[in-house]
Amino acid sequence: GAGVSQSPRYKVAKRGQDVALRCDPISGHVSLFWYQQALGQGPEFLTYFQNEAQLDKSGLPSDRFFAERPEGSVSTLKIQRTQQEDSAVYLCASSLDSKTDTQYFGPGTRLTVL
Amino acid sequence: GQNIDQPTEMTATEGAIVQINCTYQTSGFNGLFWYQQHAGEAPTFLSYNVLDGLEEKGRFSSFLSRSKGYSYLLLKELQMKDSASYLCAIPNAGNNRKLIWGLGTSLAVNP
Repeated sequence: GAGVSQSPRYKVAKRGQDVALRCDPISGHVSLFWYQQALGQGPEFLTYFQNEAQLDKSGLPSDRFFAERPEGSVSTLKIQRTQQEDSAVYLCASSLDSKTDTQYFGPGTRLTVL
Repeated sequence: GQNIDQPTEMTATEGAIVQINCTYQTSGFNGLFWYQQHAGEAPTFLSYNVLDGLEEKGRFSSFLSRSKGYSYLLLKELQMKDSASYLCAIPNAGNNRKLIWGLGTSLAVNP
């Protein structure tokens, strides 16, 4: 079946602009994760949803970052007033449910803030 | 807390065998994942170990020693397409299901 999809694949924003990144998880996957990955680094956790409930947002770097998953499927990561340090690849992953279920990743959105 | 260490870079020759090590510290072990990530692409799942020992999956094998906080990924019969970053990750020790990641080992396979 279809994997995790993300859009857009690439986004260039001017500093101060708001952006919205979309994630479509694998159908039936309960858990959804957002990670931020800087060049040459491992992914860093941002936030986690179980169905529509955002159970952990401890990794969001500032209050400019906001994520939602209103119907327990598609999720949107919104970044307000983007800064240059927000430039990174934003990865979305989904898993069935349990703690040790494999997380399957989307292709990511590469955000460049000029 | 939780911490993962793995070498930054490795180089190997096509057809050879390479072992990528990962050491970890965690207050609550819930298994260990290995992912492969090609440049510009998303991480793809390779293996999950929760019990001690070696698990073989084609050219790739993964080993775990819980008592030593140690794992390795073994790649046999290396191919050029195996040039990628290999990431070690462990689930969060608490209730959250987030993964804690190492920085990744960048493997270059040369002809």
